[in-house]
Amino acid sequence: DQQVKQNSPSLSVQEGRISILNCDYTNSMFDYFLWYKKYPAEGPTFLISISSIKDKNEDGRFTVFLNKSAKHLSLHIVPSQPGDSAVYFCAARVSGGYQKVTFGTGTKLQVIP
Amino acid sequence: DAGVIQSPRHEVTEMGQEVTLRCKPISGHDYLFWYRQTMMRGLELLIYFNNNVPIDDSGMPEDRFSAKMPNASFSTLKIQPSEPRDSAVYFCASSPPSGGVSYNEQFFGPGTRLTVL
Repeated sequence: DQQVKQNSPSLSVQEGRISILNCDYTNSMFDYFLWYKKYPAEGPTFLISISSIKDKNEDGRFTVFLNKSAKHLSLHIVPSQPGDSAVYFCAARVSGGYQKVTFGTGTKLQVIP
Repeated sequence: DAGVIQSPRHEVTEMGQEVTLRCKPISGHDYLFWYRQTMMRGLELLIYFNNNVPIDDSGMPEDRFSAKMPNASFSTLKIQPSEPRDSAVYFCASSPPSGGVSYNEQFFGPGTRLTVL
């Protein structure tokens, strides 16, 4: 039972354009959402997060949007750079779940120079 | 700080053999997590510890898997006997004490790529 779903395994975007990575979830008890970024042969690294009480969080070129009614979140990268090419994992935490998070399957982003 | 250290980085073994993966968390972190990454299921949480005590092992696939954390600086994940379907990348991660913060970033090691023939 995949509670966090990333339906697009891969995405290609031209350098300078916007990258939009999507994530859907099924558990209405999730109250905190995160994105992690992973380069080949490395472990994932934390990128950005959002609490369920917000609908947007921005950090430089990265913005995460949360639509609770649709149980959907998205990560926008503007402008996209070749160094952004990586696998992006969406993750979510159940209210009261402390440090335990559930990850999605990941989306591989390729930014073409 | 050296970050989370995992060993070995690659492991190739034959079906039926015992496999032991090792992890050294970041000093001062009191949470330790073991994950498995596969194409089909993404990053799955297998088990996590807090202050060396297992808190949730509901993700451990079956009795062939076991994990220990004998002290704050070392943890092992053991598979006995190993099977080809265990082939995956296994990550260890650690995070600092929560201190009332709702969530603390998890710091991942580089992973161990396991191949069971």
